[in-house]
Amino acid sequence: AQTVTQSQPEMSVQEAETVTLSCTYDTSESDYYLFWYKQPPSRQMILVIRQEAYKQQNATENRFSVNFQKAAKSFSLKISDSQLGDAAMYFCASHTGTASKLTFGTGTRLQVTL
Amino acid sequence: DAGVTQSPTHLIKTRGQQVTLRCSPKSGHDTVSWYQQALGQGPQFIFQYYEEEERQRGNFPDRFSGHQFPNYSSELNVNALLLGDSALYLCASSSLMTGGFMTQYFGPGTRLTVL
Repeated sequence: AQTVTQSQPEMSVQEAETVTLSCTYDTSESDYYLFWYKQPPSRQMILVIRQEAYKQQNATENRFSVNFQKAAKSFSLKISDSQLGDAAMYFCASHTGTASKLTFGTGTRLQVTL
Repeated sequence: DAGVTQSPTHLIKTRGQQVTLRCSPKSGHDTVSWYQQALGQGPQFIFQYYEEEERQRGNFPDRFSGHQFPNYSSELNVNALLLGDSALYLCASSSLMTGGFMTQYFGPGTRLTVL
């Protein structure tokens, strides 16, 4: 069974600063993907970034990057140059090759202050 | 390129009633998954449809059923509604045929309130 754990219920960052959201996961499979999704108050779940487990290089998407530590089963999200529009719930999720589903963590609420 | 669409946006029902939610996948996608998201929680997997068949099911009772049509759109049906069924219902699409089935894109959701 897959599990995803987000230990930070809430985080706060000042505009233009950098923040890191933490996530750990557990799976016995070797073929899996990891994701960060953003859910603003509008409720739509938006894909932020994706990491394939077989890739050693950390994924980056503009101001968003991940620190993927496979041996430690850690997958953190770094947001650089934070903007007011980054304020949202952030969910870490995993998907294995044998399952049809995404397994989500409990989410981290990110506040961005002026 | 149209993304995932869902209808209706909001729905209010009473206990014991039945409800049908609809989803159209992103263009080029052939697989639809449904999730239930209770307030303050992460989404929970209900089931996934591919080639008009239920491919996998999460830990939800038989009151939850679904259907996929030849054009890949999907419906989620919930019978005998309970107060605990009040939640945001999310539809996600992906492409099994092109090997991108692990990356799911979500629709805006349907907020169901059961009174």
